[in-house]
Amino acid sequence: AQSVTQLDSHVSVSEGTPVLLRCNYSSSYSPSLFWYVQHPNKGLQLLLKYTSAATLVKGINGFEAEFKKSETSFHLTKPSAHMSDAAEYFCVVSEPRSARQLTFGSGTQLTVLP
Amino acid sequence: GAGVSQSPSNKVTEKGKDVELRCDPISGHTALYWYRQSLGQGLEFLIYFQGNSAPDKSGLPSDRFSAERTGGSVSTLTIQRTQQEDSAVYLCATGTANTNSPLHFGNGTRLTVT
Repeated sequence: AQSVTQLDSHVSVSEGTPVLLRCNYSSSYSPSLFWYVQHPNKGLQLLLKYTSAATLVKGINGFEAEFKKSETSFHLTKPSAHMSDAAEYFCVVSEPRSARQLTFGSGTQLTVLP
Repeated sequence: GAGVSQSPSNKVTEKGKDVELRCDPISGHTALYWYRQSLGQGLEFLIYFQGNSAPDKSGLPSDRFSAERTGGSVSTLTIQRTQQEDSAVYLCATGTANTNSPLHFGNGTRLTVT
């Protein structure tokens, strides 16, 4: 069975400082991993995905994530936070052998302070 | 191109009434998911359709919840005899059959049961 743990329910950073949102996963097979962002009153938007190619994945809006199999982690980072980054972020794991396919983390609310 | 469209965007109903929520997927997407997102919570899986296969209904919380997908396209989620605990945002997501491909989310229907 697969699972996802987002280690922080809330993260607060100052504008211009780095962002780190942590995600650990558990999977019986080689998973695909995704990060989605949700702004208020909106659906989820894909930030980036890992699908067994390069372990460092670059996404939209300056975000990137590194797949570390030894640590079963897929943390999301950004060098410099912008006010518009304030949103909720979800880490998602997908296993090809799972009929339902996707497991979502519980989300991390990112606050960006001026 | 057109994204995933959900209607209505907001629905207020009285306890005990039935409601229908609609999802129009992206053309050609064979996979369709319904999720429920309660205030401050992550995404709760409800039901999954993939092509002409039998749907995975394992996430439906009670027999008051049902969903159908006509002609492999539009989907309707029905909640009968609504309860206050049904108040949430209901999100629809669609995608291809490729598990490495990300999902595309609608903006959701915010259901309030008074």
